[in-house]
Amino acid sequence: EAGVTQFPSHSVIEKGQTVTLRCDPISGHDNLYWYRRVMGKEIKFLLHFVKESKQDESGMPNNRFLAERTGGTYSTLKVQPAELEDSGVYFCASSQGSSGVKDTQYFGPGTRLTVL
Amino acid sequence: QKEVEQNSGPLSVPEGAIASLNCTYSDRGSQSFFWYRQYSGKSPELIMFIYSNGDKEDGRFTAQLNKASQYVSLLIRDSQPSDSATYLCAEINQGGKLIFGQGTELSVKP
Repeated sequence: EAGVTQFPSHSVIEKGQTVTLRCDPISGHDNLYWYRRVMGKEIKFLLHFVKESKQDESGMPNNRFLAERTGGTYSTLKVQPAELEDSGVYFCASSQGSSGVKDTQYFGPGTRLTVL
Repeated sequence: QKEVEQNSGPLSVPEGAIASLNCTYSDRGSQSFFWYRQYSGKSPELIMFIYSNGDKEDGRFTAQLNKASQYVSLLIRDSQPSDSATYLCAEINQGGKLIFGQGTELSVKP
């Protein structure tokens, strides 16, 4: 069974440009999460999809970030326009969603975003 | 106060020793906790989860949860150089959101 995949693995862009990150969850997983780790800090939650619906987007930093999950399969996270403080590693995770607080989230390899 | 706190380390132990990683949390209502291992440049990989007070063992790993004192720990017996990584403690809220500590870097010296 394939794990969570993310594309691209690295992205280097200039301030003001747009970047779109993609996440393909494990097949059959209804829950999809985005997290981010900026240098020197802990991994922080950005948002949570259940199928195609946004369940919780309380961690999204501002309206420059837009996440979608059309059809309840893969998800994209767009940053427009990118700022220097957006640099970090963006992780996607997915889970089946059948076990509540015991639900295991499986993480993708992350996308390292560098904004110059 | 951070919701989940870990010593960032590095924690250095000799090969074959027991590595003890600790984590404290602030929300008394927290129910479940996860330990992830992350090698440099790789994705976090689940080691164990625990939701009941006491110990839970899986091979060389033992997770311990003490809800009265609000701490979670992970013991690694017979530590190997391949265990060298960053260990992340996380609690999960009712909505499924993981709240991570900063992670403890473990170094096992041959």
